[in-house]
Amino acid sequence: GAVVSQHPSRVICKSGTSVKIECRSLDFQATTMFWYRQFPKQSLMLMATSNEGSKATYEQGVEKDKFLINHASLTLSTLTVTSAHPEDSSFYICSARDPSAGGPATNEKLFFGSGTQLSVL
Amino acid sequence: DQQVKQNSPSLSVQEGRISILNCDYTNSMFDYFLWYKKYPAEGPTFLISISSIKDKNEDGRFTVFLNKSAKHLSLHIVPSQPGDSAVYFCAASERGYQKVTFGIGTKLQVIP
Repeated sequence: GAVVSQHPSRVICKSGTSVKIECRSLDFQATTMFWYRQFPKQSLMLMATSNEGSKATYEQGVEKDKFLINHASLTLSTLTVTSAHPEDSSFYICSARDPSAGGPATNEKLFFGSGTQLSVL
Repeated sequence: DQQVKQNSPSLSVQEGRISILNCDYTNSMFDYFLWYKKYPAEGPTFLISISSIKDKNEDGRFTVFLNKSAKHLSLHIVPSQPGDSAVYFCAASERGYQKVTFGIGTKLQVIP
C-alpha cells in the first residue's frame, strides 16, 4: 500500500518553544492530508484538514494560530505547534488520501503516518 | 461526546478461536464504517469496511457485521492468529464527508 512518512517520531521540548512535524506521502500525491491528536485513553481526534495550495480547515476548538498547518506541495504537509505548553503534550498523527488506492469509498484510501509523541516540559 | 464507542479496552483470545471486537455509535448520520489495525510504533492501517446498505462484509478471516437499528457493529476474526495482536480502531464517516471519527481502540492479544 501507499506509504506516509511522519517525522520526528518523538520530540521533547521546553515550554514556549515551537515544534514542527512533517508528513510526507512517499509514493503518491496527496491533495488532502489530515492531522489528528490523541490524548491518553482517548480516541484519535481530527484537528484539521490540510488541502494543497490552500488554507487548512480546522475543527471546532482547535486554535489555528497555535497549530499552523502548511501544505505547500502534493507530498508534504507540516504541523507547527507554536509556543508549546505542557497541555499540548500528546500523540500527533497525520494521514493522507491516495486517490488511486483502495475500494470505492474514499475513506478506504487513507494512509497514516506512524505518529509523533510530543512531550512539552 | 464520543460518537464512536469501543467499550472494551482490551481482549485476550486463544490462537485458533474467534475474536469479536465491538463498536457502538451514536450519530445516525454515519453511513460508512471502517476498522483499522495498529501495531506499536506504526500508524493505523485500513482493515475492512462496511456501508450502511449492507449488514455484513467478509474478507478472508475478517468479517464485519452491522446492526443499524442497534447502532452497533462488530469485527470477527476467525481463526485468530498471534499476528492479529494489535490495537483495533472502529471508525465511521458520514456520506460525502471526508472526516472520519474514531473510537478509542481495543487492544487484542492472541495467545499462542
